[in-house]
Amino acid sequence: NAGVMQNPRHLVRRRGQEARLRCSPMKGHSHVYWYRQLPEEGLKFMVYLQKENIIDESGMPKERFSAEFPKEGPSILRIQQVVRGDSAAYFCASSPGGTFNQPQHFGDGTRLSIL
Amino acid sequence: DAKTTQPPSMDCAEGRAANLPCNHSTISGNEYVYWYRQIHSQGPQYIIHGLKNNETNEMASLIITEDRKSSTLILPHATLRDTAVYYCIVSANRDDKIIFGKGTRLHILP
Repeated sequence: NAGVMQNPRHLVRRRGQEARLRCSPMKGHSHVYWYRQLPEEGLKFMVYLQKENIIDESGMPKERFSAEFPKEGPSILRIQQVVRGDSAAYFCASSPGGTFNQPQHFGDGTRLSIL
Repeated sequence: DAKTTQPPSMDCAEGRAANLPCNHSTISGNEYVYWYRQIHSQGPQYIIHGLKNNETNEMASLIITEDRKSSTLILPHATLRDTAVYYCIVSANRDDKIIFGKGTRLHILP
């Protein structure tokens, strides 16, 4: 029973390039959440998506960051024109949604390093 | 801001019970108490959650006070692999985002 799968585990980009992070939720889960953890800091919520819809993007930086969760395929977090400050661990979580009392289950993250 | 208060760090001897406290004095009637942990360089791991009653699973026990203003996570026989940051979170979790605080850094001592 596969958990939340994130890839790649490690991603290196040069300043100005684009980064694409993928997240496949657990089987049967239709809700996806992205969190960011800067070095030596806590986890911060970025965005919450359901299939084809962004529900809450209150934690997303206003520029260069976007997220999608298409009808088919994984959720994608996209960072355009990366800068050094984007270096962080990005975690995805999923839940079945729709009712109370459902915990989120996390993947092991993508570590993004900007040269 | 997180709605919980936890000690920044704790030590526990291997094999002993680790008791991690959490204060959530402003908890609402429909909010659950969730516990997650993050072992170094891994994703957060769900441990347990509860509303009013005490809960137990294969990982831990959760004791919630009668007034629901505080709770304790109990790891009955701590091992070195339980060294992690433990987060106590209150949420109605109707598809809600998790607001992580600073958590408690638990060190299991050999």
